[in-house]
Amino acid sequence: DVKVTQSSRYLVKRTGEKVFLECVQDMDHENMFWYRQDPGLGLRLIYFSYDVKMKEKGDIPEGYSVSREKKERFSLILESASTNQTSMYLCASSESGLRRETQYFGPGTRLLVL
Amino acid sequence: QKEVEQNSGPLSVPEGAIASLNCTYSDRGSQSFFWYRQYSGKSPELIMSIYSNGDKEDGRFTAQLNKASQYVSLLIRDSQPSDSATYLCAVSPGGKLIFGQGTELSVKP
Repeated sequence: DVKVTQSSRYLVKRTGEKVFLECVQDMDHENMFWYRQDPGLGLRLIYFSYDVKMKEKGDIPEGYSVSREKKERFSLILESASTNQTSMYLCASSESGLRRETQYFGPGTRLLVL
Repeated sequence: QKEVEQNSGPLSVPEGAIASLNCTYSDRGSQSFFWYRQYSGKSPELIMSIYSNGDKEDGRFTAQLNKASQYVSLLIRDSQPSDSATYLCAVSPGGKLIFGQGTELSVKP
């Protein structure tokens, strides 16, 4: 079974703090994704990566950055957390090739920024 | 116009009934379509994928795709209380997925 893990289930941070969210997958997937999920807005893509050290902006990259130094790990960074970044953050991974659009999700990190 | 639209619900059906969930999309170049189920407080899990016009059945679930009408649906036969969840439609014009906002389904015993 594909396993995607995220470093924290719940996180509380202060405005202005630098926040790191970690995601690890154990299936040697090439592709990794970071989404945020908010009521009424569905899942919105923040950043994605098709390979190590490679990143692409999604639909809402402002205020975020990412890092992919190893194939299995994809980190989301909130450079200076703000209250409007309070959300559920979901990491996903997928294979390359024909099954690249079949994404497997981690359990999510619920972030509260005070 | 949103790229992927779903009725937000909640959709309430009695146990044993057929639940019908609908999704429309705007990008005619979309080739791949997915339904995810998300229980409250949990992450989405893939339940169906469909790539060609017509129906695809998997147990109690049937996905229907009509590319000409830009419409994809999910039917759940013999609905059970355990099917109560939010169902997310996702469309891929190529590479990444675009999600609808989800439809909340409630199956009443």
